[in-house]
Amino acid sequence: NAGVTQTPKFRVLKTGQSMTLLCAQDMNHEYMYWYRQDPGMGLRLIHYSVGEGTTAKGEVPDGYNVSRLKKQNFLLGLESAAPSQTSVYFCASKTTTNEQFFGPGTRLTVL
Amino acid sequence: KNEVEQSPQNLTAQEGEFITINCSYSVGISALHWLQQHPGGGIVSLFMLSSGKKKHGRLIATINIQEKHSSLHITASHPRDSAVYICAVATNRDDKIIFGKGTRLHILP
Repeated sequence: NAGVTQTPKFRVLKTGQSMTLLCAQDMNHEYMYWYRQDPGMGLRLIHYSVGEGTTAKGEVPDGYNVSRLKKQNFLLGLESAAPSQTSVYFCASKTTTNEQFFGPGTRLTVL
Repeated sequence: KNEVEQSPQNLTAQEGEFITINCSYSVGISALHWLQQHPGGGIVSLFMLSSGKKKHGRLIATINIQEKHSSLHITASHPRDSAVYICAVATNRDDKIIFGKGTRLHILP
């Protein structure tokens, strides 16, 4: 099993550009999450999904969109990137018994 | 007030010392997690607890459900234990995980 993978690992964008972060898991988990991690803030939930075809807003959803067309993939989109979205993004999946598995993270810089 | 509070925020200790990191929470939970993150690194799950105590090598995690408190202990600490330790709870009200802000641990050789 590859676990939870994220692509890309690093990305630099200019303000206004768009991009999509891909999270994939091969453990057949229903629950998937996108978090951002900023210094002094801890992990904050952006969006999450409780199953294929479902998505829900988390704590800091503004400026992001998500899709879960396939159970194994959870995509995070930035339509018009802003410097405030410079962060490290982590994807995670969770079992129904609350075991968590994190991806390796994506370091995004918006200039 | 944050629903998950950790203390201390930062901790520096000498190699070999016994380390304790505390986590208090104010919500009903179905499980509590202790996570480890090395500088610039990914997040690794150390323990998941719903009651009692778990031990893995030099690491011990305990939880008191009645007091809504958990501790992570490291015995015979080593410089490679230097990392950020994060407490997180799976609430019993929804499907979300709530994270503490982490404790930055630095073990001096």
